[in-house]
Parts: sequence; C-alpha cells; structure tokens
Amino acid sequence: DAKTTQPPSMDCAEGRAANLPCNHSTISGNEYVYWYRQIHSQGPQYIIHGLKNNETNEMASLIITEDRKSSTLILPHATLRDTAVYYCIVRDYTGTASKLTFGTGTRLQVTL
Amino acid sequence: NAGVTQTPKFRILKIGQSMTLQCTQDMNHNYMYWYRQDPGMGLKLIYYSVGAGITDKGEVPNGYNVSRSTTEDFPLRLELAAPSQTSVYFCASSYSAGDQDYGYTFGSGTRLTVV
Repeated sequence: DAKTTQPPSMDCAEGRAANLPCNHSTISGNEYVYWYRQIHSQGPQYIIHGLKNNETNEMASLIITEDRKSSTLILPHATLRDTAVYYCIVRDYTGTASKLTFGTGTRLQVTL
Repeated sequence: NAGVTQTPKFRILKIGQSMTLQCTQDMNHNYMYWYRQDPGMGLKLIYYSVGAGITDKGEVPNGYNVSRSTTEDFPLRLELAAPSQTSVYFCASSYSAGDQDYGYTFGSGTRLTVV
C-alpha cells in the first residue's frame, strides 16, 4: 500500500491561499490521490481526487507532480470555515473493494 | 436525499453489554464501510461490504460483526463491549464501477462510550 506523509499542522491567514503538501513516493501507476477533510468531529468530507493530471472543482485544486510522488491541495481563498484536518489518501484498490486508508492528516488553522 | 444516516448519535454502554449501530444510505451505493476514530487519530477501517450479502474484514475487525442483507443497510454489531471500543464510529458509502469510484459519503458518526 502506498503511504502518505503530511505535515501535522499548518496555519493560513483568511483570504490567502492554503497550500497543503502531501508526499506519496511509493504510489503505483494506477493509484489515485484523494483528499478529504474533517471539520471538528463531523464525518470526513470528500474534496477532490486525481490520477496524474491537475484537477479543479468548486472547493479546491489538486496539483500532482509529473513523477506522481507528491501532490498539493490548494484552497484558493481560505476562510475560517476551512479550519479542519485534511487527509491525503492514496486509494487502495485491493481485490474487489476500494478502500481508503486514513492517516493522521494535516490540521489547518485559518486565522483572521 | 438524506445521504448516510447513523443512529444513535450518542450511546453509553456498560462493559459486557451488546448493541447495534445502525447505518442506512439512500443513494443506491454498492459499497459501504464502517470506520472508528479514536481521539486525535485517523480513521481505521473495521468492516466493509461490496454489495448485499458480501462483507469483509478491515484493519480492526475484532469485537465487531456486520451484515448486509440489503443495499441500503449496513448495521455494526458490538458483542461484549469493552472500554477499548470507546470511540467515534463512522459509516460511509460509495459507488464504484470498474476502476473508478466517486468519493465516499460519510455519516455524522456515533459517539460510543463503554464504562
């Protein structure tokens, strides 16, 4: 299983871009990179995922390096509501099931 | 759509008691999952199901049982509750077709305390 490494915490000023890095140097060719976030004690929320191309949706952008060994989640204009734990996950597709393995993530604190 | 609904939201059990955590989804998702999250930690997979009648163990299945008689429901059974099972339990569902899936939808969680 490909593992991910994330910084334990980051700060970001409100209105600025939040750039959350993730290292997944052992990722294999067919594995996707997923990002979820968990606000306080709520259930995790899906943000975005990608294979090798950069992806963008209404919540965020995902930049994956050409060698796919790392990625960055970008929240373009962070707000206080973006304060959460962000999980970078490499999708483990084993057998017939697609399972997500969560690490401890990055705790993003957005401040005024 | 209600999404993924978990009941109860909170529960206190005594050591040795049993209970069932309910999970239902109305999105016609084929995959369902149970995770637990201990304080300050990430989520750990307990059991998962790829469809009605099919279940399999995750990373931490001991002390739990599941069943999947319908597409919508995926209850988690705790037999002989122990303090180590004090945790927040999340149910999730997803739709997968071939080599693609579309993200998980999580419930709001059940906070369980065993005393």
